[in-house]
Amino acid sequence: DTAVSQTPKYLVTQMGNDKSIKCEQNLGHDTMYWYKQDSKKFLKIMFSYNNKELIINETVPNRFSPKSPDKAHLNLHINSLELGDSAVYFCASSQDRTVTLAKNIQYFGAGTRLSVL
Amino acid sequence: GQQLNQSPQSMFIQEGEDVSMNCTSSSIFNTWLWYKQDPGEGPVLLIALYKAGELTSNGRLTAQFGITRKDSFLNISASIPSDVGIYFCAGQLSSGSARQLTFGSGTQLTVLP
Repeated sequence: DTAVSQTPKYLVTQMGNDKSIKCEQNLGHDTMYWYKQDSKKFLKIMFSYNNKELIINETVPNRFSPKSPDKAHLNLHINSLELGDSAVYFCASSQDRTVTLAKNIQYFGAGTRLSVL
Repeated sequence: GQQLNQSPQSMFIQEGEDVSMNCTSSSIFNTWLWYKQDPGEGPVLLIALYKAGELTSNGRLTAQFGITRKDSFLNISASIPSDVGIYFCAGQLSSGSARQLTFGSGTQLTVLP
């Protein structure tokens, strides 16, 4: 079974559209994350939720809105897509941000490649 | 914010050779992590380091947490074709509400047969 799964794996859409990416983890983890990987492969944190509560919100346009219906899911909704949003988006999860570092290892999904035309 | 400088950016080596890559930071971290990303996949953790000076091995991989807590290196011995991929270092703090990871820019490794 895949520990952190994202759907879809590929998403091609027109500029101006609204789209969502879903993420689910079956590890029983409390914390989930969204990262953006640009064309130069640089990985940058976007959001983090701990038990459905937002704890990290980096400088991300407010067109990006994460939603966590429960601690096993963290979805990413993007409004009014722009060309610069094209990237690979990774979801990740970790056990608990408050416990020892050894238990805070982040496990990544396989990524969603978003192409905005 | 913190920045990680990872080098080299890319490496082309012959199968069987040893590889070394490193990361340096402008500030200290409490944890250093090394991830590998295969094409079309997400990063997978290779080694985690929790103490300054710590040297940890995982098969042919060896990583060290620098004494200053501002650097780490990863060595791969006797490289094989499946070592191909992008290797990322990542630093993590233990304080603060986030414990977010700061990633290096990656080292693209190509192993030639």
